[in-house]
Amino acid sequence: GENVEQHPSTLSVQEGDSAVIKCTYSDSASNYFPWYKQELGKRPQLIIDIRSNVGEKKDQRIAVTLNKTAKHFSLHITETQPEDSAVYFCAASDPGNTGKLIFGQGTTLQVKP
Amino acid sequence: EAGVTQSPTHLIKTRGQQATLRCSPISGHTSVYWYQQALGLGLQFLLWYDEGEERNRGNFPPRFSGRQFPNYSSELNVNALELEDSALYLCASKWDRRTEAFFGQGTRLTVV
Repeated sequence: GENVEQHPSTLSVQEGDSAVIKCTYSDSASNYFPWYKQELGKRPQLIIDIRSNVGEKKDQRIAVTLNKTAKHFSLHITETQPEDSAVYFCAASDPGNTGKLIFGQGTTLQVKP
Repeated sequence: EAGVTQSPTHLIKTRGQQATLRCSPISGHTSVYWYQQALGLGLQFLLWYDEGEERNRGNFPPRFSGRQFPNYSSELNVNALELEDSALYLCASKWDRRTEAFFGQGTRLTVV
């Protein structure tokens, strides 16, 4: 079945710097890749997603890139702010078209003021 | 528009007991997914319900079960609780399998 690996597990950056989180997936049939942000004690919230027919997508300070050949996708956060501190999860859609998501292990991002 | 709601927020049970967790999807969403988030781990898929039927289950033992009601709300039951069942249980709803998943705030289950 599909497997998603996420790196790094923790990331600490200074406010204003950029942060990059990388994920790889195993099944080339996956076609949807969302990123979720989970603040402490809160629900995961979708921050950006990308489908397999697109190579890059941006939303203000957040961007996601997808390399289908290499089967990896990345989250880029520019001009980080303390409120960006949270756990970020990448996910890939189930190739079996069930709609379920296969998640990476998560990255704890700390933005130091 | 109300989001996905889960109850209870916290649940403490003794090993061997049964736990029942509830989820109400966003109005109009017919698919409900359950995930387990153990401490420090990612989200692991448990069960998928759609139109009142169990459509898929993850790699969990049969003591994890559930159902979906005619109003599309869902219940997750965990029988014969074990200490390692302690986790945050998240429910997500979708309009259909290709659309965005919206998560509830979760139920924190603690087994003592």
